Amino acid sequence: DSGVTQTPKHLITATGQRVTLRCSPRSGDLSVYWYQQSLDQGLQFLIQYYNGEERAKGNILERFSAQQFPDLHSELNLSSLELGDSALYFCASSELAGGHYEQYFGPGTRLTVT
Amino acid sequence: GNSVTQMEGPVTLSEEAFLTINCTYTATGYPSLFWYVQYPGEGLQLLLKATKADDKGSNKGFEATYRKETTSFHLEKGSVQVSDSAVYFCALAPAVKKLIFGKGTKLSVKP
Repeated sequence: DSGVTQTPKHLITATGQRVTLRCSPRSGDLSVYWYQQSLDQGLQFLIQYYNGEERAKGNILERFSAQQFPDLHSELNLSSLELGDSALYFCASSELAGGHYEQYFGPGTRLTVT
Repeated sequence: GNSVTQMEGPVTLSEEAFLTINCTYTATGYPSLFWYVQYPGEGLQLLLKATKADDKGSNKGFEATYRKETTSFHLEKGSVQVSDSAVYFCALAPAVKKLIFGKGTKLSVKP
């Protein structure tokens, strides 16, 4: 158990809908990362937050957004969903913001868009 | 730009066989290098890391050496077990930036 929790574990929704994925980092970790894992694209970095502020952006679509709240939990919002958004979404956390700090991954949320 | 290339799988070995999973990278500066492992149905876990040239990371019998001259960080284990069956990801972290992952190599170990 990494100490990172993600909810829900599974999500099935229809095209055009909007969903919110939630992540709680390990106690004491200030940095949260979101990743998308799909068969064709592999593991892609989406976005990073550090202590409530956006720190780095990766291959995140404009239909997707995220935020980190004062209690340090984070939410990833996916809107106008398409079939191609079906994937496993991971959240990770680290103590500080540098990429060389170990990241602890949650178990993931499996999103299926039908 | 920064990128990671690792050998494509799947790799299938018999128990107690020697394992090598190749990983090479392209990066500016002096990145840290990592191997993460993903067991079936789980998130990724850090397996080992190396933060500078010639460093050797090791954990659970796995080893990898940061070779700047060949820009490589190959993962090795002398004797694999069935419980090592998983997907292995090589990753690099350019200083103060995000992790960049390879595509992953699936390892299956047969008894």
